[in-house]
Amino acid sequence: AQSVTQPDIHITVSEGASLELRCNYSYGATPYLFWYVQSPGQGLQLLLKYFSGDTLVQGIKGFEAEFKRSQSSFNLRKPSVHWSDAAEYFCAASSAGNKLTFGGGTRVLVKP
Amino acid sequence: EADIYQTPRYLVIGTGKKITLECSQTMGHDKMYWYQQDPGMELHLIHYSYGVNSTEKGDLSSESTVSRIRTEHFPLTLESARPSHTSQYLCASSRLTEAFFGQGTRLTVV
Repeated sequence: AQSVTQPDIHITVSEGASLELRCNYSYGATPYLFWYVQSPGQGLQLLLKYFSGDTLVQGIKGFEAEFKRSQSSFNLRKPSVHWSDAAEYFCAASSAGNKLTFGGGTRVLVKP
Repeated sequence: EADIYQTPRYLVIGTGKKITLECSQTMGHDKMYWYQQDPGMELHLIHYSYGVNSTEKGDLSSESTVSRIRTEHFPLTLESARPSHTSQYLCASSRLTEAFFGQGTRLTVV
């Protein structure tokens, strides 16, 4: 069965420190991969996406993600976290543009 | 900026009432989705549609129903609301690749 796993439920990081959120997928073939961010009480906003090509993908708000086929991973990174990055982050995957499968989400807390 | 709208944003309603959550998009997307999001954050697909007059059940069983009479409109209906339906409901649409989400409707059944 197709699945997306985010191993970390919560991550606390100091403002200015780097952030890495993990995502692993299980699909028959390499799916389309996405990272979304959700602020409290809001819908989901797309941070970045990977379809093919360059395995390092740049997104909005200073985020990037790296696709590693050998590890079935698509980890999200940010070099220096701002207090406004506190939110929930969801990794998602789909096969050829079909319905998305989401990971369980990672809540990021930012310490001053 | 994605143009997908959900109303109402918040709804508190009594047990047994019939409710309809509205979702509309102006992007002409064929595919639309409803997700249910528990307080613990995880999103579960409950309904999807790949076009007019097409609706399918999602991965999570739901007592709600949906309809897709027009491309831009994908309402979700609960015939008789129960406290177990308390949750956040997120609507999304897509054409080929990424999905765009509405702001969500937070439903509380008392």
